[in-house]
Amino acid sequence: EIVLTQSPATLSLSPGERATLSCRASQSVSSFFAWYQQRPGQAPRLLIYDVSNRATGIPARFSGSGSGTDFTLTISSLEPEDFAVYYCHHRTRWPYTFGQGTKLEIK
Amino acid sequence: EVQLLESGGALVQPGGSLRLSCEASGFTFSSYAMGWVRQAPEKGLEWVSVISGRSDIKFDAESVKGRFTISRDTIRNTLYLQMDSLRAEDTAVYYCVKDSRGGITGTISHWGQGTLVTVSS
Repeated sequence: EIVLTQSPATLSLSPGERATLSCRASQSVSSFFAWYQQRPGQAPRLLIYDVSNRATGIPARFSGSGSGTDFTLTISSLEPEDFAVYYCHHRTRWPYTFGQGTKLEIK
Repeated sequence: EVQLLESGGALVQPGGSLRLSCEASGFTFSSYAMGWVRQAPEKGLEWVSVISGRSDIKFDAESVKGRFTISRDTIRNTLYLQMDSLRAEDTAVYYCVKDSRGGITGTISHWGQGTLVTVSS
């Protein structure tokens, strides 16, 4: 099983600031990598798929990058609705797994 | 608009059984792989099971293998998860999820709102 490790566990920032979230895989996941956002009390939603492709309706301030085992989600300028938990995810082979999550909180 | 409506979550005793349902609408159900992802209280996300659009391929997590069975009914546009021999560690919100393609890709394009399963005596 491929283990995904996210850092930091919690990130405290203010609206308007830039957020950088990281995810490291225990082995290469090629480009089969995604990011999901979960707001409090809601189901997760797809943000980024295949490393760098924004899902339908996702604002341009969200971007993804990386390759192999190291990936980054960047939010260029935080909006109030961006404070949530973010999960990375691989779909290289079964079992697909998620990272443990990074909580982005308001400073 | 894609809608996934889960039902069937309940409080059940250890060793008991439960069947979750997910009624899908807003898309051609048989054309997409579907699955279940769960989230234990205050915990992260875990894939449980996934099934292809034609039901010819299924994967189960090791933690549920032999106890849970995923299936789908294309007439009723409904996804099921039969859960047997339930354990306390199965306590979670169970989300019905839609894949982005008919074959299993693992990219979840849509999520239901979830149904809570609590296993406790």
